[in-house]
Amino acid sequence: EAGVVQSPRYKIIEKKQPVAFWCNPISGHNTLYWYRQNLGQGPELLIRYENEEAVDDSQLPKDRFSAERLKGVDSTLKIQPAELGDSAVYLCASSSEGQVSGANVLTFGAGSRLTVL
Amino acid sequence: GESVGLHLPTLSVQEGDNSIINCAYSNSASDYFIWYKQESGKGPQFIIDIRSNMDKRQGQRVTVLLNKTVKHLSLQIAATQPGDSAVYFCADLRPQYNFNKFYFGSGTKLNVKP
Repeated sequence: EAGVVQSPRYKIIEKKQPVAFWCNPISGHNTLYWYRQNLGQGPELLIRYENEEAVDDSQLPKDRFSAERLKGVDSTLKIQPAELGDSAVYLCASSSEGQVSGANVLTFGAGSRLTVL
Repeated sequence: GESVGLHLPTLSVQEGDNSIINCAYSNSASDYFIWYKQESGKGPQFIIDIRSNMDKRQGQRVTVLLNKTVKHLSLQIAATQPGDSAVYFCADLRPQYNFNKFYFGSGTKLNVKP
């Protein structure tokens, strides 16, 4: 099994430019999460999807961030326009519905490292 | 405010020694806890979990201890190896509205000296 796949792994852009990240979750996982991880910190939730529905986007800066999960599988996270403070690692994770414990809880991808100049 | 935090940001141990990484939580409603390991350039990887109705759980070379009285969680790694060098995060699961939500601590960096 491929695990959670994210792309690109690295992205360097100038401020005010747009950027998009893509995530393919583990097959069969209906819950998908986007986290932001600042340097030296733990992941912070941006948005959570149950299938194609965003059930928690309370921490998503909606003026510049958007996300979608068409057909309840792959997801994209977009930033437009990017600001210097958006430099971070953007992690995608997935989990099976109703699974509370076990090794499949919140399986993370390798992340997309964004640098805004 | 409520938080999941770690006592030490960096821990250095000698190869072969045991490592103990601590975590404090403040939300009494948290009923499930996970430890994750994150190596440089990689995403967090699940290590071990524990539910609030347990005090101890063991895995391969790792043990998690939960003290609900003082809201403290620890991860013990036996016979620490160079491959254990990473940042370790604790996370707690809190009930929120109609679903549960994970909150992560800021992490402890473990350095294993050969």
